[in-house]
Formats: sequence, structure tokens, C-alpha cells
Amino acid sequence: DADVTQTPRNRITKTGKRIMLECSQTKGHDRMYWYRQDPGLGLRLIYYSFDVKDINKGEISDGYSVSRQAQAKFSLSLESAIPNQTALYFCATSDSDRAGELFFGEGSRLTVL
Amino acid sequence: RKEVEQDPGPFNVPEGATVAFNCTYSNSASQSFFWYRQDCRKEPKLLMSVYSSGNEDGRFTAQLNRASQYISLLIRDSKLSDSATYLCVVINSGYALNFGKGTSLLVTP
Repeated sequence: DADVTQTPRNRITKTGKRIMLECSQTKGHDRMYWYRQDPGLGLRLIYYSFDVKDINKGEISDGYSVSRQAQAKFSLSLESAIPNQTALYFCATSDSDRAGELFFGEGSRLTVL
Repeated sequence: RKEVEQDPGPFNVPEGATVAFNCTYSNSASQSFFWYRQDCRKEPKLLMSVYSSGNEDGRFTAQLNRASQYISLLIRDSKLSDSATYLCVVINSGYALNFGKGTSLLVTP
């Protein structure tokens, strides 16, 4: 089993729908991140969390919210999806002692029609 | 100016060739540097950290030039399996990981 698991892996939805992407990890890391990746724009940070009680906005948090339900779980929500949120979303984890060593999930491809 | 800049490529090289990529960063206070590799439609994976003194891992050599604010990745004896996108990551104070947009490498037979 993967150390960082994202569900769903693929999702097609319609404008205005609420969507939740879930991430769970078995690495025991305290830090978790949500990124989106778009062609030509690279990886952009949406939200990050350094522990269960810590939530921080990244560079593109508008239109997204997150919940850190437990050390191992970090979910990303799109309250009302719009087409420009069509992207590949990655969850990642890291240990606080090795902050640059991120472990990514396999990605969730979201299409908003 | 972007915090981390990379030439997007693609770099097309024949098998066995040596290829090098650079990544420039704008924040002189940047503390840590990494190279990640991302295969098509896959997640990024850490390739190697970049140490001040430079470091080597098999066919891969990473170097840091603080004076000119860039890091480099050299790949010797390129293999077909090296075809991927190489992402530069720079960490400033605290957590702030800054990803470059990546350099695409295609190694051809």
C-alpha cells in the first residue's frame, strides 16, 4: 500500500458542486500539504498543516478549504467547484526535521465541467 | 521575478550524453535546495538534496552556487529511463518550499 493515499484518483463533476479530496498517510509525518498542478504553471501550494491544530493558507487558497481530522488525514474541499479548478491535485507529507523531503500521493485528477 | 526559475526545455539528448540543468533562485536567504523528478502523469519524487559542497549520487551530481544564486543538476551517461521532468525546490525560512516549474528531459535512443 502507498504511504500517502489520495481518494478519489479521478473525478468529473459539474460547476457548483461540492467536492472533497481526501488524503491519508502512514508515514507518521506531522506536516501535510495540498498542491495543485497545471500545465505550464507547475506546482502551487493551496494549504498546509504542520500539526492537527495548525492550518495555513498557501499561495492559491481562494475557493478551497481544508480539514486536518487527525495527524494522518488531511482533506481538501471545493465548496462550489468552478471550471478553472480543473487540475491535478497532490497531497504531500513531510517530517518537520526534513522539511524539504516531501512524499507525494499519486494525485487526484479533477475535472469541473 | 519568480522565486525559482527553470528553463522548461525540452532538452533532447541521445543516450549516453551528459546533460545539465540550472535553476536560479531570487532569495539570497534561501537555506535548502533539492531536485525532484516527475514522470509523466505521476507524482514528484525526491531525487537528491543539494549540499553547499556539492554532492554526487551515481550518475547525478548536484551543485550549489550561492554567489550567483543557482543550483545545477548534471546527469552523466543518460539513460532512456532518465526521461522525466526535473523540478528544482528551494526552501526559504521556516517551511516555505518553492517549486520551479520544471525542466523536461527526453533521452532518445
